[in-house]
Amino acid sequence: DQQVKQNSPSLSVQEGRISILNCDYTNSMFDYFLWYKKYPAEGPTFLISISSIKDKNEDGRFTVFLNKSAKHLSLHIVPSQPGDSAVYFCAASYHGTDKLIFGTGTRLQVFP
Amino acid sequence: EPEVTQTPSHQVTQMGQEVILRCVPISNHLYFYWYRQILGQKVEFLVSFYNNEISEKSEIFDDQFSVERPDGSNFTLKIRSTKLEDSAMYFCASSEAFASPNTQYFGPGTRLTVL
Repeated sequence: DQQVKQNSPSLSVQEGRISILNCDYTNSMFDYFLWYKKYPAEGPTFLISISSIKDKNEDGRFTVFLNKSAKHLSLHIVPSQPGDSAVYFCAASYHGTDKLIFGTGTRLQVFP
Repeated sequence: EPEVTQTPSHQVTQMGQEVILRCVPISNHLYFYWYRQILGQKVEFLVSFYNNEISEKSEIFDDQFSVERPDGSNFTLKIRSTKLEDSAMYFCASSEAFASPNTQYFGPGTRLTVL
């Protein structure tokens, strides 16, 4: 089941710079997208979400962009901080289902 | 800030034994979920639960699995006869809303090791 894909397993960014994490999806029925952050030995922590009727949502340092025609979304973190170092999961759902479908995750490392 | 809690944090069991994983969802949430993540793999949906009934379940959630809300605060996942391949992190989640768009909030997980 590859409905949600995160093709970059890892990303390394210098503190203060922008981190861009990408996610692609194949199911055109998806209408809600979420980003979660996960530290080792912890559960996924909700970061930010976007509905398919929007193309951008911003919350502090985090912005999610949705390109429906390309079936692509991205998470921008600016400025990046060492505490942002974690695994980031993209997830999606669609009307009529309860479940979230997750990508494989991207490990972000922010170095000083 | 309200959070989902799970116990135990780590459970070790012998193959064939029954295990019960416990969760306390966020207090004003009415929709509850279980997910699992096998080491190195994706987080996978197992089951959703509302109003004392299973709302949706995945192919993984076979007859060996069951869920229950035994009281007003706990939500449990039971595996009747564990197999080696049940070894995984099990995450409980809860949400205010039902179906998309709903934001699900996850607990810290229980690491289940089946020997």
